[in-house]
Amino acid sequence: QKEVEQNSGPLSVPEGAIASLNCTYSDRGSQSFFWYRQYSGKSPELIMSIYSNGDKEDGRFTAQLNKASQYVSLLIRDSQPSDSATYLCAVNRDDKIIFGKGTRLHILP
Amino acid sequence: EPEVTQTPSHQVTQMGQEVILRCVPISNHLYFYWYRQILGQKVEFLVSFYNNEISEKSEIFDDQFSVERPDGSNFTLKIRSTKLEDSAMYFCASIGPEAFFGQGTRLTVV
Repeated sequence: QKEVEQNSGPLSVPEGAIASLNCTYSDRGSQSFFWYRQYSGKSPELIMSIYSNGDKEDGRFTAQLNKASQYVSLLIRDSQPSDSATYLCAVNRDDKIIFGKGTRLHILP
Repeated sequence: EPEVTQTPSHQVTQMGQEVILRCVPISNHLYFYWYRQILGQKVEFLVSFYNNEISEKSEIFDDQFSVERPDGSNFTLKIRSTKLEDSAMYFCASIGPEAFFGQGTRLTVV
């Protein structure tokens, strides 16, 4: 099993709708969890971090963590065309940050 | 906002040549990482560096690669004899505890 798994997409969402991105991880010892946004040819940009079970909201973004199910998700409300990018889930285990392959999100105008 | 700086932004080199990629991480961070991203593929961990030594490295990080922090600020990745398959974006990340990335160096080996 891959350490961090994401559906590669593309995930197409109409403008204004909620985009839901999912990620699972294999190591129960993982301590912290991140979502990065990466535009083509650019470096990953941190958008959310989450460390404990439950929801964490920041503007239009909500991260959800369920350690029992080893599942992390990112919700983007009121999706905008500028949200079109690849979203990388990352997991910190023993001070090594491991990335999933990323989910390509396409917001349809 | 904290900033990680990488130079050069783009380097073209001939196969077999040595390249050095440079990074200035965030000053109060203690962990520094190098990642590689081949075009269209995932971000891959290469090596982590803590307290002036390698703390972990991946199977990609073979004897052709080395890292050092020569002057307490710069953090370098050296590839001794480049191969065509080393062509990729190389990202430096500064950890504390989230990873903040530099803008990357696009390495093209011809």
